[in-house]
Amino acid sequence: AQSVTQPDIHITVSEGASLELRCNYSYGATPYLFWYVQSPGQGLQLLLKYFSGDTLVQGIKGFEAEFKRSQSSFNLRKPSVHWSDAAEYFCAVILTGGGNKLTFGTGTQLKVEL
Amino acid sequence: GAVVSQHPSRVICKSGTSVKIECRSLDFQATTMFWYRQFPKQSLMLMATSNEGSKATYEQGVEKDKFLINHASLTLSTLTVTSAHPEDSSFYICSARDPLHNEQFFGPGTRLTVL
Repeated sequence: AQSVTQPDIHITVSEGASLELRCNYSYGATPYLFWYVQSPGQGLQLLLKYFSGDTLVQGIKGFEAEFKRSQSSFNLRKPSVHWSDAAEYFCAVILTGGGNKLTFGTGTQLKVEL
Repeated sequence: GAVVSQHPSRVICKSGTSVKIECRSLDFQATTMFWYRQFPKQSLMLMATSNEGSKATYEQGVEKDKFLINHASLTLSTLTVTSAHPEDSSFYICSARDPLHNEQFFGPGTRLTVL
């Protein structure tokens, strides 16, 4: 079945440590790929997106993601996590020809220990 | 980035009443808006796609008579939950697509609680 998978429901890291959030997709063609962050009381915010080209994408707030076609993955990374990064993170896709409809993964809750 | 507002942010209503939620794009015109539903600790599920001046397109399993969507202008879409029941309690989120930047911007969400 076509899907977006975030294997980790919860992740806890220490402030200053590196972070990697996993995202895998299962579609015949490579979709457009996105990472969003959801903080309480705020709307989802786009961190970065990948349509084509360079497979390493830089985003806001020091985040980056790498598209790996062979692994059908689009993992989100940050070299040094800040306490303010604690939030829910969603991977999402838009299928080419899919009418701009976003399909979201199940989300990963990030907790940052001081 | 562009701003999308939702009103109200929180609503509590009695079973059987109808509730209207507004979604506005504040600094851009959105020909397309989307409505999502999010259950606690779960992902966003697309309910419907709203196009200005035409009928909304509902996702499979979403009752169009229960969730009425109106997109009367390029900056406003409304979702009305008709005859709400406790199982309709959820977090409803809208997004608006900015065609100039080809990006969706999300509202902060509306928490609906039906007693």
